[in-house]
Order: sequence, then C-alpha cells, then structure tokens
Amino acid sequence: DARVTQTPRHKVTEMGQEVTMRCQPILGHNTVFWYRQTMMQGLELLAYFRNRAPLDDSGMPKDRFSAEMPDATLATLKIQPSEPRDSAVYFCASGLGTGPLSGNTIYFGEGSWLTVV
Amino acid sequence: AQKITQTQPGMFVQEKEAVTLDCTYDTSDPSYGLFWYKQPSSGEMIFLIYQGSYDQQNATEGRYSLNFQKARKSANLVISASQLGDSAMYFCAMSPNTGGFKTIFGAGTRLFVKA
Repeated sequence: DARVTQTPRHKVTEMGQEVTMRCQPILGHNTVFWYRQTMMQGLELLAYFRNRAPLDDSGMPKDRFSAEMPDATLATLKIQPSEPRDSAVYFCASGLGTGPLSGNTIYFGEGSWLTVV
Repeated sequence: AQKITQTQPGMFVQEKEAVTLDCTYDTSDPSYGLFWYKQPSSGEMIFLIYQGSYDQQNATEGRYSLNFQKARKSANLVISASQLGDSAMYFCAMSPNTGGFKTIFGAGTRLFVKA
C-alpha cells in the first residue's frame, strides 16, 4: 500500500535548535508539497516541488525555513533556528502532477507534530 | 489571487441524515480541479472526491457527492446518510492549472454527527 512517509512523527525541541523534517513521497510521484497546519492559520502551503525543482516557496519564511529535494525519494524541510511560533503540524504530500484536470489528487503523509518550547 | 472560502466553522447533523458543506472558490484560471479532504481526530488527511472544472456531471463517490455550480464558483460537498464516523474536519481544496498543480485549502468545516 503506497503511502507518503514522514519522520519524525513527533518532535519537541527547544527554541533556537535546528529541526529537520523528512518526507518520502510515493514512488513515481513527481510533485511534492509541504504544508503547515495550525489552529489559527489552517493549512498553509509552504513550498512545493516538481521533478525535484522548487516551483513555489513563497509561503515559507525565508529567513529560517528551507526546503530541498536531494533526490526523488527524499524531501526535507529545515527550520533554523526554531521558534515557539513554529509549533504546528507539518504535512508532506505528493502527487502525480499531470495537471489538475487529470483528477490526480495529492496524498498526505501522517504529519510531523512539532512543538518548540 | 486564488482563494477557497468555507463559511461554516462547525456543523451538526443527525445520524442517517444528509448534510451539505459549503465551499466557494475564486480563480481566474478556466482550468482547475476541486477536491475535498476529510481529517478525523487522528490527524490524517483523507482524499474524498474530485471535480474537474470541465466536468459536465457532478462527481460522486459512494455517500459523497459534489454539487458543482461553476457560474457561482461553488463546490459543495454533500454527505448522504451520515454516520458517526463522519465526524471530522472537512477541507475544500483547489488546484488551478496555472501554477503547476499548486493546491490550496480552505479553512475547513468541523462536522459533528449526533446519534
């Protein structure tokens, strides 16, 4: 059963520490998304990639966040330094980006629950 | 700018009755896809249903149907014969053709099914 895999599932860290979240997209999917979910802001799109190239990272705070895809099987989201306001659930999702009219949906991982104290 | 609006923060429905969750969207792109996702208390995001902007018929998937009114830019989700397990958060999402499959989400509607 193909699924998006995210690690870690839960992370508690101190303010100022570096946090790296990892995502393994579904094999064959060429589009990878990073979303952040909070009670106040809902689901925000932070960044997304097509064929490993970043297409849009305008939703991401540039000074402390970075997203990369070192290879087709791994996407990373890094926060350095972390702050309490970064506490949220971070979702990775992947899809076969042949276009929205194809009906290709995006599939979510289980999320990384981050708490910065 | 692309935008999804879900105006119902919370909804109650009696078990076995039907319920409609509202979603309106804004895009200047003539080609787009519309999606609904369910997020139960466990936190996972579950894909429910898809509608393409050029589809002539409303999409249906089991007890889920999407009431697509293109001129009004609305894509309401209808759940028939509600079950207790339908209690969850529901998100409407849109993926316009321009922007390369970028998918944005509404704020969500929390559905409570009463026994």
